[in-house]
Amino acid sequence: GESVGLHLPTLSVQEGDNSIINCAYSNSASDYFIWYKQESGKGPQFIIDIRSNMDKRQGQRVTVLLNKTVKHLSLQIAATQPGDSAVYFCAERGTGGGNKLTFGTGTQLKVEL
Amino acid sequence: DVKVTQSSRYLVKRTGEKVFLECVQDMDHENMFWYRQDPGLGLRLIYFSYDVKMKEKGDIPEGYSVSREKKERFSLILESASTNQTSMYLCASSLIPGQGAYEQYFGPGTRLTVT
Repeated sequence: GESVGLHLPTLSVQEGDNSIINCAYSNSASDYFIWYKQESGKGPQFIIDIRSNMDKRQGQRVTVLLNKTVKHLSLQIAATQPGDSAVYFCAERGTGGGNKLTFGTGTQLKVEL
Repeated sequence: DVKVTQSSRYLVKRTGEKVFLECVQDMDHENMFWYRQDPGLGLRLIYFSYDVKMKEKGDIPEGYSVSREKKERFSLILESASTNQTSMYLCASSLIPGQGAYEQYFGPGTRLTVT
């Protein structure tokens, strides 16, 4: 029979508000973290990254915060716009070598006008 | 800009068919990856390759094989497609560690339906 997929967590924000998307990672030895944005029908696109020796990194309208104590990563989007509507994934680079990334399941961001 | 292309956006195959998904990158990246993406499960790594003719199993390699005969091209093969392989397939590429960046660049995806 037809399988039903799991529903993604959804964050709804008003246009112009700030958005905060959270991610819990699994490996305390991970040394690199990255956020991707995936719009409907497209592949994931890089937003911002951070290394484990940093707590915060800022880009254009986006900020990533890393709390290694509780293994938590967050993505803050300032002045959210309709074009920010997408699924956002965090990913971590563990100790397995190479450039392997382990991805979270994603959060759906919906921007309401 | 890095460009990763995949041979098809949409593909419909029958159970038992052999399926080839092709991926090409134009940035001379050493690493290439194949993922499948299913609702609520995120991206799961099927296989990856860190050099020509080299391959390593990812987290869910069963039912799949890969081929990397040229640096820019990485193929995913479903030897005998089954309905549980209906999914979105994403290809990615990246530089090797030590070159300062771990970012993976993704293609647009191939939505495969097996009937």
